[in-house]
Amino acid sequence: GAVVSQHPSRVICKSGTSVKIECRSLDFQATTMFWYRQFPKQSLMLMATSNEGSKATYEQGVEKDKFLINHASLTLSTLTVTSAHPEDSSFYICSARQDPYSPLHFGNGTRLTVT
Amino acid sequence: DAKTTQPPSMDCAEGRAANLPCNHSTISGNEYVYWYRQIHSQGPQYIIHGLKNNETNEMASLIITEDRKSSTLILPHATLRDTAVYYCIVRADQTGANNLFFGTGTRLTVIP
Repeated sequence: GAVVSQHPSRVICKSGTSVKIECRSLDFQATTMFWYRQFPKQSLMLMATSNEGSKATYEQGVEKDKFLINHASLTLSTLTVTSAHPEDSSFYICSARQDPYSPLHFGNGTRLTVT
Repeated sequence: DAKTTQPPSMDCAEGRAANLPCNHSTISGNEYVYWYRQIHSQGPQYIIHGLKNNETNEMASLIITEDRKSSTLILPHATLRDTAVYYCIVRADQTGANNLFFGTGTRLTVIP
């Protein structure tokens, strides 16, 4: 079945530094990937839609200059949290699908802790 | 996308069937019902989806009422590993907006 791999699974960084999270579709090509954020005991919130070869579409309230998204190929999207602060500590999850007729499949998430 | 309503929590004895209900009374004719689950500290896992017919796969069965205003996810023989938050989502397929809106879901606890 469709597999989405996310790396790293956990990362701890100091305040002010940047962190890159990778999302790969392992056995299919994905023209569109999605990035979510989940705070403890809350549901997933969509941050942005990542489109291969074009700019990402951000949800209201999500700073595009802080959360940089690059979708350079049909199998890879990256999310870079720039100048991270403790309030950016969260669980970040990506998802992708093969085509409009297929279900979305999710990565296993990245637990980001900013100290 | 149509809004869904699920009970916040349920318990189920290990080995018994777990029946998770979902109300989606404002569902449109072109909207599918999707079920995902999220085990603690993992990404959501796709379980099953359907439009109007009942569906079954190796994980679960999906029963959709004739008027499509509600559905039930059935895990036939619940195990401890089925403890998770289960999300019922309705979404029009084949549209430009491929996003899924996650509500609060049902926290299923399988009890030994």
